[in-house]
Amino acid sequence: KNQVEQSPQSLIILEGKNCTLQCNYTVSPFSNLRWYKQDTGRGPVSLTIMTFSENTKSNGRYTATLDADTKQSSLHITASQLSDSASYICVVSPNRDDKIIFGKGTRLHILP
Amino acid sequence: DTEVTQTPKHLVMGMTNKKSLKCEQHMGHRAMYWYKQKAKKPPELMFVYSYEKLSINESVPSRFSPECPNSSLLNLHLHALQPEDSALYLCASSQNPTEHGNTIYFGEGSWLTVV
Repeated sequence: KNQVEQSPQSLIILEGKNCTLQCNYTVSPFSNLRWYKQDTGRGPVSLTIMTFSENTKSNGRYTATLDADTKQSSLHITASQLSDSASYICVVSPNRDDKIIFGKGTRLHILP
Repeated sequence: DTEVTQTPKHLVMGMTNKKSLKCEQHMGHRAMYWYKQKAKKPPELMFVYSYEKLSINESVPSRFSPECPNSSLLNLHLHALQPEDSALYLCASSQNPTEHGNTIYFGEGSWLTVV
């Protein structure tokens, strides 16, 4: 069964610190993996998208990595800011005809 | 312009009302989607329009009726809803009419409360 598991469920860090969010998937065959940021009550915003052949992709202070062999991805946030407080959702696409699969997200809280 | 615009942002309606949610994008995307999201849950796919034709209906109750008047607009007509239908309704679009290989752009969502 195609699944996307994210950890931790919730994370609290101090402003200025770095953190890493994890995404493990059992989706096969694999097309691409995306990370979205969703502020409370707002629509998700795309941070990165990676295909099978890509190992890392950056978007400002956000860096996503992908290991297609172990089926793991991480999202590293550098020098966190209060505005980084949000849910971060990992989304995996199996193939052209299947539905994309959302993880349940990691809720990140940045404290001043 | 990488925006998907949804209106209204908030909607409160009674169970006997008829209302509509509207969505607009001007990115030339040929696929548009409606998702439903409950609190602390990931979005759930409801409908997919591909080249202005309904391509996926995820067994959504008929009290939700989608409409795609043209390639830039997507509506969701609501009638006789139940309180459990209260949720954040997200519209999204992507360049190609599959969900894959393309970034899906989400709107800000419409908060729906059914009383």
